[in-house]
Amino acid sequence: DIQMTQSPSTLSASVGDRVTITCRASQSISSWLAWYQQKPGKAPKLLIYKASSLESGVPSRFSGSGSGTEFTLTISSLQPDDFATYYCQQYNTYWTFGQGTKVDIK
Amino acid sequence: EVQLVESGGGLVKPGGSLRLSCVASGLTFSSYSMTWVRQAPGKGLEWVSSISSSSDYIYYADSVKGRFTISRDNTKSSLYLQMDSLRAEDTAVYYCANSVIRGPFDCWGQGTLVAVSS
Repeated sequence: DIQMTQSPSTLSASVGDRVTITCRASQSISSWLAWYQQKPGKAPKLLIYKASSLESGVPSRFSGSGSGTEFTLTISSLQPDDFATYYCQQYNTYWTFGQGTKVDIK
Repeated sequence: EVQLVESGGGLVKPGGSLRLSCVASGLTFSSYSMTWVRQAPGKGLEWVSSISSSSDYIYYADSVKGRFTISRDNTKSSLYLQMDSLRAEDTAVYYCANSVIRGPFDCWGQGTLVAVSS
C-alpha cells in the first residue's frame, strides 16, 4: 500500500502569508496527486489534480508542484476563506489520503 | 451544477447492516466512476470503495473488504453501499464522489452519518 505523509499537521498563519504544505509518498506516484480543502462540517473540495493542475474555479493563489514522491501545495497569499484543513491524495494505485494539515489563524 | 445527495445513514448496533444511497444529478452518471469515502469523527479521510462507470471494475479498502458491497444503477443515477457486519470503527460520515476512471474525486456529496454503537 502507498502511504501519504503530510507536514506539518498544523500550521498557524496570518492573512497575507505565503503557506506551503508538503506531502510525501512512500513510493513513486509520478504526478498522480491531488489536493483537497475541507472546512468544518463540509465535504472536501478538489483544488489541484495531477500535482499541479488547478481545478476550474479555484483561485490562482493556490498552486501545486512536485513529482515522484515529494509534493507541495502553496497558497501565495493566505485569505480569510483559506483557513481550513488540506489533504493530499495519491491516485496512482487505488487511492490514499494524507492525514491532513490544518491551517489556522496565528 | 453537479449534485450528489447521500442518504441511509443512522444508528445501528454492532454486527448490524445498513444500506447507503447516493443520487446524482447534473452529470451524465453513466460516464463516471463513483466512490465512497468516509471520515470518522475528528479524523481524516479514508477511501472505502470505488466502482467503474459500467460496474466492470470494483475496488475495496482492506478495512471493509468482505463486509461492504458497492453497486450502482445507471438508470436511476444512483450509487449504493451495502454495509454488513458493522463495527464501532465503521462510525463515520460517508461521502459519495464522482471521478473519471482512476482519477481524483471531482465532486462530493454532503455526507451521511453512520453510527455503530450498542
